[in-house]
Amino acid sequence: SYELTQPPSVSVSPGQTARITCSGDALPKQYAYWYQQKPGQAPVLVIYKDSERPSGIPERFSGSSSGTTVTLTISGVQAEDEADYYCQSADSSGTVVFGGGTKLTVL
Amino acid sequence: EVQLVESGGGLVQPGGSLRLSCAASGFTVSSNYMSWVRQAPGKGLEWVSVIYSGGSTYYADSVKGRFTISRDNSKNTLYLQMNSLRAEDTAVYYCARTRIAVAGTYYFDYWGQGTLVTVSS
Repeated sequence: SYELTQPPSVSVSPGQTARITCSGDALPKQYAYWYQQKPGQAPVLVIYKDSERPSGIPERFSGSSSGTTVTLTISGVQAEDEADYYCQSADSSGTVVFGGGTKLTVL
Repeated sequence: EVQLVESGGGLVQPGGSLRLSCAASGFTVSSNYMSWVRQAPGKGLEWVSVIYSGGSTYYADSVKGRFTISRDNSKNTLYLQMNSLRAEDTAVYYCARTRIAVAGTYYFDYWGQGTLVTVSS
């Protein structure tokens, strides 16, 4: 079955830039989406269609795509950004697939 | 304001049944695609099912034949009927408004707070 691969954890200091990657063979043909999930809360969409930002999401969140890898970049990380981040896309048949998640720790 | 409120979770024995509800406000369920996504304790997200505005339904292989997604337009509510429950179905179940990106692919722009289903004897 199709998989999206994310690093289990990323750590950054406040004010630095965090980059979370997501790799998958179908990503050149399918959009990627990113969700932020804080403990005990529902996921929140932070990036859609590779690089679009929903209204209400801070400008420090951005997305990019290159080949089989998509990247969520958080510039000027703040303590409140500490959370789990999940990428999502689709396999060749259109079935939704989520990455395993990346825990972002703000040191 | 878009709001989704799930209910109906609880403890059920293996082989049992449960029906989850998701009451929506701020938009019309029947005019949108709607999905259920689950998250096992300490694990990642797993898509479960989607219902299209036209009524077509689709399921993950892991629940196909056991779960049924439906909606009540008069109540603006989404449902998930879960039968033949297994221990591996234990999870928080989220309903989510679903948006179409390109044909046949979608994403989730609003999520409910989730309801916990525990399958155990």
